[in-house]
Amino acid sequence: GESVGLHLPTLSVQEGDNSIINCAYSNSASDYFIWYKQESGKGPQFIIDIRSNMDKRQGQRVTVLLNKTVKHLSLQIAATQPGDSAVYFCAEPRNNNDMRFGAGTRLTVKP
Amino acid sequence: EAQVTQNPRYLITVTGKKLTVTCSQNMNHEYMSWYRQDPGLGLRQIYYSMNVEVTDKGDVPEGYKVSRKEKRNFPLILESPSPNQTSLYFCASSFGKRTEAFFGQGTRLTVV
Repeated sequence: GESVGLHLPTLSVQEGDNSIINCAYSNSASDYFIWYKQESGKGPQFIIDIRSNMDKRQGQRVTVLLNKTVKHLSLQIAATQPGDSAVYFCAEPRNNNDMRFGAGTRLTVKP
Repeated sequence: EAQVTQNPRYLITVTGKKLTVTCSQNMNHEYMSWYRQDPGLGLRQIYYSMNVEVTDKGDVPEGYKVSRKEKRNFPLILESPSPNQTSLYFCASSFGKRTEAFFGQGTRLTVV
């Protein structure tokens, strides 16, 4: 069946290093993906999105890469800061109008 | 300020006592949805609404009801809450399913 999932549930990085968070999807017809960040005690916040006609999209310190061949996307955070510590979710709208979220990856930034 | 407002933030109730969690957005969004978040399971969609008077089931609709009588409001109703509905609930809104969603601050519900 369709699924949006993450390879690793936790990721710990040193402050200043780059972080890479991965997400796999199974529906090859998926045409839009979103990354959200959820800080402790808060609701998820939009980070960046990408449409299937793109392979890469960049924001401020963040880059999302989409590999449609292997149905995989990743979120890269450059020069990771303590404020980046959070749970990161990928999400995918499905054909029947509902939204599917991955289980999330907890990013911890060590000073 | 653009926002999604949920109330209450915290609620403890007893099994079987009907409750409503309210959600309101001030961005004129058409798409609204409810999620529950449980440890290790991420966010699971309960119900969503594409527009006024249009609602549909998400992944885990059992035990929940919603209504969309006005564009800005999307209340979540638990007619007879059970302990397995203890969870953290989020309301979200967006212009459509392929645009960024704005989430409320969450409602932590405990059913004893």
